[in-house]
This record gives sequence, C-alpha cells and structure tokens, in this order.
Amino acid sequence: EAGVAQSPRYKIIEKRQSVAFWCNPISGHATLYWYQQILGQGPKLLIQFQNNGVVDDSQLPKDRFSAERLKGVDSTLKIQPAKLEDSAVYLCASSLAFRGLPDTQYFGPGTRLTVL
Amino acid sequence: QKEVEQNSGPLSVPEGAIASLNCTYSDRGSQSFFWYRQYSGKSPELIMFIYSNGDKEDGRFTAQLNKASQYVSLLIRDSQPSDSATYLCAVKESSGYALNFGKGTSLLVTP
Repeated sequence: EAGVAQSPRYKIIEKRQSVAFWCNPISGHATLYWYQQILGQGPKLLIQFQNNGVVDDSQLPKDRFSAERLKGVDSTLKIQPAKLEDSAVYLCASSLAFRGLPDTQYFGPGTRLTVL
Repeated sequence: QKEVEQNSGPLSVPEGAIASLNCTYSDRGSQSFFWYRQYSGKSPELIMFIYSNGDKEDGRFTAQLNKASQYVSLLIRDSQPSDSATYLCAVKESSGYALNFGKGTSLLVTP
C-alpha cells in the first residue's frame, strides 16, 4: 500500500513570496490533515478535511494560509505572503476516520520550508 | 487549547535498559492516545495506540494509560541505539478527530 505522498520535499523562498504544497493521501482515507511542525515542537494541526469538507481550521492563519481538497482526494496548502516565522516542516497526514475506534493517522515525508 | 505535556529530555539510557517516557494531558474526555517516533529529519511514525486503562504490550514496547490521573506512558524494554529518536505523545480530542501533540521527548540510547 502506498503511503502519503507530498511535494516538494524542500522549498526556500523569500519573505512575502507565495508557496504551495501538495499532498496525496493513502487511497481510501477520507480524512486529511495538514500540520505545521516548527523545530523542537510537536506537530500543530492547521486544517482537517473530511472528504472535501473542512472539519477544523481553527488554527489556520487565514489571512495568509489557505487550503483546499478538491474531489476529496489530493490537497494543496498555500501560503501567501510568507513570513519568516512560517519556516517549518509542513506535514500531511491521512486516516480512515472511524469515530468508534482509535483513528490512526499516517504521515507523509513532509515539506521543509525555509523563509529568508 | 488542550495541553499535552512531555519532558523534552534528552533522556539518556544505556543499551539494554528500560526507557520510560511520560505524558500528561488536560482534555479529560480524551479516549485515544498515541505514541509516535520521529527520527531527526523524518516524519512521525506510529508506534502504538492505547484507549483502555492499563497496559498494552507490543514487542519491546508497552503503553500504560491512567485516565483518572490523565497520564500515559511508554516503556521501551531492551533499548537499542536504533531507538534513539524523539517520541511524541498524541491525544485525540474528545470533540473530534484532531490529535494534540506534545513537544516530544528526545531519547538517546548509548552503546
């Protein structure tokens, strides 16, 4: 079974530029998550999709971050304009999302963003 | 914001010893708890989950859960240098699917 795919793996941009990340979840996984992991911290949830609807985006800085999941499969996360404090690893995860059982999230390799 | 607390470490143990990693959480309604391992520069990978009070064993790993004390731990028996990594405790929010992660505990197993 193929895992969660992400691209690009690395990105370096200047502040105020825009950037986009792509994620393809595990086949059949209804729920997709974007996390931000700053060095030395645990992952922080930015947005969660159930199929192509947003379940939770309470921690997404909506003035600069946006995300979409068209057709309930692939997803893109965009930052526009980027700030220095956006330097982090952006992790995509997916899960089957059964409420009644522990719902395991599987992570992709991440995209390491450096904002100069 | 629901809190998940872990000692950042580093926790250093000799090869062959038992490593004990601890985690406390604030969301009293949480039902599912996960331990992830993260090697430097890599993404988190699931070690195990637990949702019932008591112990759950999987090979060299044992997760322990005490919901009354809001405490979850991970024991690694016969620690190996390859176990050296950051261990992330994650707690599923009672209100939905989201996981709240701790900052992680860095484990160093010395030969």
